[in-house]
Amino acid sequence: KQEVTQIPAALSVPEGENLVLNCSFTDSAIYNLQWFRQDPGKGLTSLLLIQSSQREQTSGRLNASLDKSSGRSTLYIAASQPGDSATYLCAATPWDYNQGGKLIFGQGTELSVKP
Amino acid sequence: DGGITQSPKYLFRKEGQNVTLSCEQNLNHDAMYWYRQDPGQGLRLIYYSQIVNDFQKGDIAEGYSVSREKKESFPLTVTSAQKNPTAFYLCASRGDLYNEQFFGPGTRLTVL
Repeated sequence: KQEVTQIPAALSVPEGENLVLNCSFTDSAIYNLQWFRQDPGKGLTSLLLIQSSQREQTSGRLNASLDKSSGRSTLYIAASQPGDSATYLCAATPWDYNQGGKLIFGQGTELSVKP
Repeated sequence: DGGITQSPKYLFRKEGQNVTLSCEQNLNHDAMYWYRQDPGQGLRLIYYSQIVNDFQKGDIAEGYSVSREKKESFPLTVTSAQKNPTAFYLCASRGDLYNEQFFGPGTRLTVL
């Protein structure tokens, strides 16, 4: 059974710092991995999607990497800003089509960027 | 604008009542999902549908029911059999090209 874990659960950094959020998964048979952002009381916003055959994806100040052999993904945020404060969730799609393309989520990392 | 809408934003339920949460998408996606979010537990899958008139139970389907009569709509009913329904409910749909999931703004359900 696939399990997704995110460490740390919470992170507080000063503005301008570069930071890394970690995501690990137990089963390397994944179709893709998505990183989401969630603001308090809101839905999820998709940040980056990495296909199984890819090693990384970039969007602006965000870079996500995927290493299936070690069961790890990282989200790198460059030059953090107070507006980056939110909860970041990673989620894996199992390769098994019989699971309907569902996402298996980690519990998230709550990020606070201090001015 | 293409996207997913959920209504209502807040919903209050009395003991013994059934309530229905609405989810509509105009992304022309075949697959739709309902997740439940509880503090400290992440998101868990309730039901999903990969095509009209077909749906499957997820990991925590007990006490819930769904229908999929139209491609655009995937309503979720929380029945009185659901013992602890207070939670944040999120609807999603999945694109066919990259299997990327997109989420609605959520409905917060509170049992009085």
